[in-house]
Amino acid sequence: EPEVTQTPSHQVTQMGQEVILRCVPISNHLYFYWYRQILGQKVEFLVSFYNNEISEKSEIFDDQFSVERPDGSNFTLKIRSTKLEDSAMYFCASSRMAAGFYNEQFFGPGTRLTVL
Amino acid sequence: AQTVTQSQPEMSVQEAETVTLSCTYDTSESDYYLFWYKQPPSRQMILVIRQEAYKQQNATENRFSVNFQKAAKSFSLKISDSQLGDAAMYFCAYRVGLNYGGSQGNLIFGKGTKLSVKP
Repeated sequence: EPEVTQTPSHQVTQMGQEVILRCVPISNHLYFYWYRQILGQKVEFLVSFYNNEISEKSEIFDDQFSVERPDGSNFTLKIRSTKLEDSAMYFCASSRMAAGFYNEQFFGPGTRLTVL
Repeated sequence: AQTVTQSQPEMSVQEAETVTLSCTYDTSESDYYLFWYKQPPSRQMILVIRQEAYKQQNATENRFSVNFQKAAKSFSLKISDSQLGDAAMYFCAYRVGLNYGGSQGNLIFGKGTKLSVKP
C-alpha cells in the first residue's frame, strides 16, 4: 500500500542554521501539507500546497519557512534560520483532493527536529 | 477560530474491555467533518473513523464507533474489545466543509490521548 515517507527521521541542528525536511507524497496525490507538533502540544497546521503554489498557510508559517516541490516527487519544507522554538515533530501529509469528506489525508511518520 | 480539546492526556484499558476517548470542539460553522486518527509508536498517523456534521447517525468502523453530539460539540471515540494493537496516541481532528472559503482542507487537531492496553 502506498505510503508517505519522510527523511530524515531525526534532524539535529544548531540555532541559526538552515534545515530542509523532505517528504515523498503518495504518487497520484495532488494536495500536500505540513504540520508540526511541539512536544506536549497540539499538532498544528503549517501550510498546504497545490499546483506548485501555497494555497493556505497558518500564522506559524512566516518568512523563515518555505516549501517547494522541486522535482515532481519530493515535497520539502525549508527553515532558513532555525530557532530553539522550531524544535518539534514535523509531519507531511498528502491527499488526492482537498476538502471533502472522503478526501483522506495520509500522513508520513514525521521528522523530529531538534534545534540546539 | 475553531478549536479541538482532548481532556484526557492518557487512558488505560484492559484487553477485551471497552474504552471511550473524549473530544470536544468549538466552531461556528455548520458544515464540517470530524476525525479520529491513530498514531502507533514511531509510525504514521492513520485515519480510524470520520463523521460528517450533518449526519445524525454515528459512524462505526468495526470495533470503533463514535458518539457525535452536535449540540454539545462532542465527538467521543469508543473502542470495543480492545486489543494490544490498539495501544497508540489518538488524535481528534476537525476540518471545515467543502464550501467554506476555499479551504484546502487543513486539519485542526487536539493534543491527543495516549491509550495503553493491558494484557
